[in-house]
Amino acid sequence: KNEVEQSPQNLTAQEGEFITINCSYSVGISALHWLQQHPGGGIVSLFMLSSGKKKHGRLIATINIQEKHSSLHITASHPRDSAVYICAVPRVQGAQKLVFGQGTRLTINP
Amino acid sequence: DVKVTQSSRYLVKRTGEKVFLECVQDMDHENMFWYRQDPGLGLRLIYFSYDVKMKEKGDIPEGYSVSREKKERFSLILESASTNQTSMYLCASSEQGRRMNTEAFFGQGTRLTVV
Repeated sequence: KNEVEQSPQNLTAQEGEFITINCSYSVGISALHWLQQHPGGGIVSLFMLSSGKKKHGRLIATINIQEKHSSLHITASHPRDSAVYICAVPRVQGAQKLVFGQGTRLTINP
Repeated sequence: DVKVTQSSRYLVKRTGEKVFLECVQDMDHENMFWYRQDPGLGLRLIYFSYDVKMKEKGDIPEGYSVSREKKERFSLILESASTNQTSMYLCASSEQGRRMNTEAFFGQGTRLTVV
């Protein structure tokens, strides 16, 4: 079993739809990262959270430490949100080295 | 803004060549990382450096070495490139956190093809 599991692996939706991407992990963590990778390769850090909820524009990330689960939500999705979304957790609590999920490929059609 | 810059976006090298991938960050971060990304396998850590001249092997160090002579620069070296090293390579940096994690910043990636 992978230490970090994401679902779904692929998601296609229409512009304006509410999007949810899930991440479950099996290791104890101090923080979880959500990353975005656009075609071409560069990765951008969206959120780092250790409890509760964080919001940035149309993106919302939540985490439940007890259930070892996090979700990334996108409200009013737009074609420019099309990207691969990756969650990552430290391999050992408090450490800097991360272990990554497989990524969720999101496609938003106009 | 933190900037992590990788020297090349695309590289094509021949089998057996020695290949250098360079990464520079401008935020005085202690930690620097080299990952490779392959379809179906996600991001995997090759090497990690937590200070100048300090390095640690990651999950897949075989066939690679690294150099960190200056704090801002972390180089990945393929001593003798092979076709199974064709991949996307990503560099990242972060501050040295004491107990909590710190945010990681990534470069734009280098797509290496070994022919």
